[in-house]
Amino acid sequence: EPEVTQTPSHQVTQMGQEVILRCVPISNHLYFYWYRQILGQKVEFLVSFYNNEISEKSEIFDDQFSVERPDGSNFTLKIRSTKLEDSAMYFCASSEGWTSGGYNEQFFGPGTRLTVL
Amino acid sequence: AQSVTQLGSHVSVSEGALVLLRCNYSSSVPPYLFWYVQYPNQGLQLLLKYTTGATLVKGINGFEAEFKKSETSFHLTKPSAHMSDAAEYFCAVSVSGANNLFFGTGTRLTVIP
Repeated sequence: EPEVTQTPSHQVTQMGQEVILRCVPISNHLYFYWYRQILGQKVEFLVSFYNNEISEKSEIFDDQFSVERPDGSNFTLKIRSTKLEDSAMYFCASSEGWTSGGYNEQFFGPGTRLTVL
Repeated sequence: AQSVTQLGSHVSVSEGALVLLRCNYSSSVPPYLFWYVQYPNQGLQLLLKYTTGATLVKGINGFEAEFKKSETSFHLTKPSAHMSDAAEYFCAVSVSGANNLFFGTGTRLTVIP
């Protein structure tokens, strides 16, 4: 069964360093997402991406964050200068698109745990 | 705006006992409601969803949930817990045309042999 994959599973970095989290969405999907979960808190939406551009982003997704689909398979989240508060589990998701029922089922990867020291 | 509250960050049940995981939502428009499950080292897997129609929805692994508009609830139940049900469960809400899901904080279910 097709699945979303993410690498690495755990990333440790020093504050101020750049990190790139990688995701391979399901191959025929058109919409891509990043969410994050700070330990003990809600899973929060960061950004959605469609047709090679950001379609929606949350307040969390500031200028330190960027997303890219550099080729036909990968979808990346870059944090330019990490802060301690960026430590979280980052989930990638993808979806095929809107169903006739009006909802957009998202399939999630296993997450990357980012630890900023 | 939408939001979700999950009561109880940890729930323990005995094997064979009823599982009840609580979820209340807030939405200014008719919601779409979801339960996701996360097993260790795996992604969030859709357990079941409510979009329109029948308010009692059945999902995988014997789970079901009932949408109660008057109570703004979407509690997850399973009549008899199995050891393999031990996982983290997330309730989420969305609305028609929206890109993003709003999640609760999750409930970790432990099943005691």
